[in-house]
Amino acid sequence: SQTIHQWPATLVQPVGSPLSLECTVEGTSNPNLYWYRQAAGRGLQLLFYSVGIGQISSEVPQNLSASRPQDRQFILSSKKLLLSDSGFYLCAWSIGTVNTEAFFGQGTRLTVV
Amino acid sequence: AQSVSQHNHHVILSEAASLELGCNYSYGGTVNLFWYVQYPGQHLQLLLKYFSGDPLVKGIKGFEAEFIKSKFSFNLRKPSVQWSDTAEYFCAVKTNQAGTALIFGKGTTLSVSS
Repeated sequence: SQTIHQWPATLVQPVGSPLSLECTVEGTSNPNLYWYRQAAGRGLQLLFYSVGIGQISSEVPQNLSASRPQDRQFILSSKKLLLSDSGFYLCAWSIGTVNTEAFFGQGTRLTVV
Repeated sequence: AQSVSQHNHHVILSEAASLELGCNYSYGGTVNLFWYVQYPGQHLQLLLKYFSGDPLVKGIKGFEAEFIKSKFSFNLRKPSVQWSDTAEYFCAVKTNQAGTALIFGKGTTLSVSS
């Protein structure tokens, strides 16, 4: 069966520090991968999605970037965190065809101080 | 680009009351529709989904949703809620094209009192 791993679960980082959140999927190949940010009252905002290695689509201009160095690995990064980057970040995957749902990781609670 | 609107930000019900959460989307083409639920302290889980066929979709835990194409709506319903239904509910839409992402509404917090 397929599983998705996202870490760390919680992270406290100072303003101006770099960020690296990692997400890996097991049990499937060539998945679509997504990063979302969840904020209270704002739902889940799509940040990035990827349909293959090295293919990244950015939905919202921001202080973050994403990379997909391997088929089942998706990394969310920042060179210098801002206070506004605080939030709950969710990684998700889906099969790369139509008519499929997305499956979510447990999320990372990022607090920038 | 598609968007999703959830009309109710916070709904408060007593146990056994009926529930209907509104969801409308904006996209003129074929869509896949979803309701996800997030129980306190847990990750997002799929409640139900619509791809094609019967517009009345039944999901887990007694939930159902009806797709009304002419209204661009996919409302979630449950005849009788339980305290354990307290959670945040998200409607999501995805175009029927490979490589597109789920777009979510802002969510509705449901609080059920016993």
